[in-house]
Amino acid sequence: KAGVTQTPRYLIKTRGQQVTLSCSPISGHRSVSWYQQTPGQGLQFLFEYFSETQRNKGNFPGRFSGRQFSNSRSEMNVSTLELGDSALYLCASSLGAGSSEKLFFGSGTQLSVL
Amino acid sequence: AQSVTQPDIHITVSEGASLELRCNYSYGATPYLFWYVQSPGQGLQLLLKYFSGDTLVQGIKGFEAEFKRSQSSFNLRKPSVHWSDAAEYFCAVGVHGGSQGNLIFGKGTKLSVKP
Repeated sequence: KAGVTQTPRYLIKTRGQQVTLSCSPISGHRSVSWYQQTPGQGLQFLFEYFSETQRNKGNFPGRFSGRQFSNSRSEMNVSTLELGDSALYLCASSLGAGSSEKLFFGSGTQLSVL
Repeated sequence: AQSVTQPDIHITVSEGASLELRCNYSYGATPYLFWYVQSPGQGLQLLLKYFSGDTLVQGIKGFEAEFKRSQSSFNLRKPSVHWSDAAEYFCAVGVHGGSQGNLIFGKGTKLSVKP
């Protein structure tokens, strides 16, 4: 069974641009969560989606948005990029929703904002 | 709200030596507890988890962890470390009935292994 796939693997953008990151979960998994990982802040929760519905959102500005499609694939978008948005963005999928679920992580998208 | 602390930012052990990584949590009730490992350039992989029952939990790759309610701790152990164990280790705490947004990760402990 294929794992969680995130594309692209690396991305370089300039301030003010927008970016869309993609995540394909493991087949059969209906929940997708997104995390931002930085050396200073560690892993911070962005969103959780289950069956196309956003269940929870982390403490990030409205420039960060996401969605989930009917096939469980998910995208996240960051508009008006800032230097501080440089980070590794990780997607995780699970069979169900909730904090008891085993999360399967992708390798992430490394975003650099110049 | 719950919180989790990993007191050690970086630990170095010799290959073959034993390992203990510390994790302390703050939560009013018994939480869900997890240990994840992240190799360089990779996502996180679940090593083990504790929900209830036996306080000593066995995981993959020869790791185990012990839940100690009195100390609010969930330390990860391995009796003999291999060079391939060099990675970053994250403890995470979740709440019963919560969403994945309620899953809080520690800042991580980076493990280096000396030959």
